[in-house]
Amino acid sequence: DTGVSQNPRHKITKRGQNVTFRCDPISEHNRLYWYRQTLGQGPEFLTYFQNEAQLEKSRLLSDRFSAERPKGSFSTLEIQRTEQGDSAMYLCASSLGGPGGEQYFGPGTRLTVT
Amino acid sequence: DQQVKQNSPSLSVQEGRISILNCDYTNSMFDYFLWYKKYPAEGPTFLISISSIKDKNEDGRFTVFLNKSAKHLSLHIVPSQPGDSAVYFCAASPSNDYKLSFGAGTTVTVRA
Repeated sequence: DTGVSQNPRHKITKRGQNVTFRCDPISEHNRLYWYRQTLGQGPEFLTYFQNEAQLEKSRLLSDRFSAERPKGSFSTLEIQRTEQGDSAMYLCASSLGGPGGEQYFGPGTRLTVT
Repeated sequence: DQQVKQNSPSLSVQEGRISILNCDYTNSMFDYFLWYKKYPAEGPTFLISISSIKDKNEDGRFTVFLNKSAKHLSLHIVPSQPGDSAVYFCAASPSNDYKLSFGAGTTVTVRA
């Protein structure tokens, strides 16, 4: 399977704990995106990388969130000191083309903060 | 601020009939518009797109219409099939940006 993969698929954590998610994009794709989706809403942009450079971050991304893409391959999204409001589906996508081009999404990581 | 709006949370249609999904946007800088389909427990899957220089794009059973002056686009699915039952998201991006702004989605149910 050469699609976008995300791990873990589900994560339950207690408030105040740190969590880290991983995304493996389609191998030849140079852009990687993180989105967050809550119930009844569409995905909301969090951040994106072109190769290893993080080029844009949403104001939704508080300083408790950090993302990395070392060597321009897989990416990790870490949330420190989780809060109940962080409970959501975290989606990763990757793309190769120019603006407006198709982004390929992974299955997401569902985070539940108790 | 929700720049992409899908005002119909749900749509029920009989198999074989046409499904029409609507989407409105407020950002006049949007140049690219995409429709995604999402099944439960899966990520969104790209369906069809259109750029602002066109007013129609067709791909098999799926056609997207764009009315720039009204800041409105629609997705037509003809004929609707049971496998089309899913959540459909409208998304948009400006020409100088890569991030997508999504609507809240419309849940389509195709009845046999």
